[in-house]
Amino acid sequence: EPEVTQTPSHQVTQMGQEVILRCVPISNHLYFYWYRQILGQKVEFLVSFYNNEISEKSEIFDDQFSVERPDGSNFTLKIRSTKLEDSAMYFCASSTTNNNEQFFGPGTRLTVL
Amino acid sequence: GESVGLHLPTLSVQEGDNSIINCAYSNSASDYFIWYKQESGKGPQFIIDIRSNMDKRQGQRVTVLLNKTVKHLSLQIAATQPGDSAVYFCANNAGNMLTFGGGTRLMVKP
Repeated sequence: EPEVTQTPSHQVTQMGQEVILRCVPISNHLYFYWYRQILGQKVEFLVSFYNNEISEKSEIFDDQFSVERPDGSNFTLKIRSTKLEDSAMYFCASSTTNNNEQFFGPGTRLTVL
Repeated sequence: GESVGLHLPTLSVQEGDNSIINCAYSNSASDYFIWYKQESGKGPQFIIDIRSNMDKRQGQRVTVLLNKTVKHLSLQIAATQPGDSAVYFCANNAGNMLTFGGGTRLMVKP
């Protein structure tokens, strides 16, 4: 069964450093998403991406965040200058259309020290 | 603004009993809801969905009920098993994004 994959599973970084979280969505999906989940809290939407551009973003997704689809398979989330409060699980998801089931990856745990 | 919330943070049930997890939403224009299961250290896993043109949908051991009048939906799990222990989230799909509720932890006692 096809699945969304994410790397790395755990990323530890120093405050102020740049991180790139990587995702490989399901191959025939066209819509891609990033969510985050701070420990013990609910999952929060960050951004959606379709046709090589952002289609929706939340207030969390400020100028420190960016997304990219550098090739036909990867979808990345970059945080330019990490803050302590960026520590969270980051989930990538993908779907065939924008109003269908979103399939989630296993997540990357980001720890900012 | 849109919000999706849960009534109870923790639900403890006996193995074999039925479980009911509730969720309320605020936006009457919401028309597509999904229940996700999240096990420790994993991403949300789709369980079942329902659109606003339905008030009930059944899957394998799971049923989702939607009451648009009071903006409430529930997830019923029949014959709850230890493997059902997880956090359950309701979410509203507004096209380009999912809005999640706060989660209910289901604990199954043997």
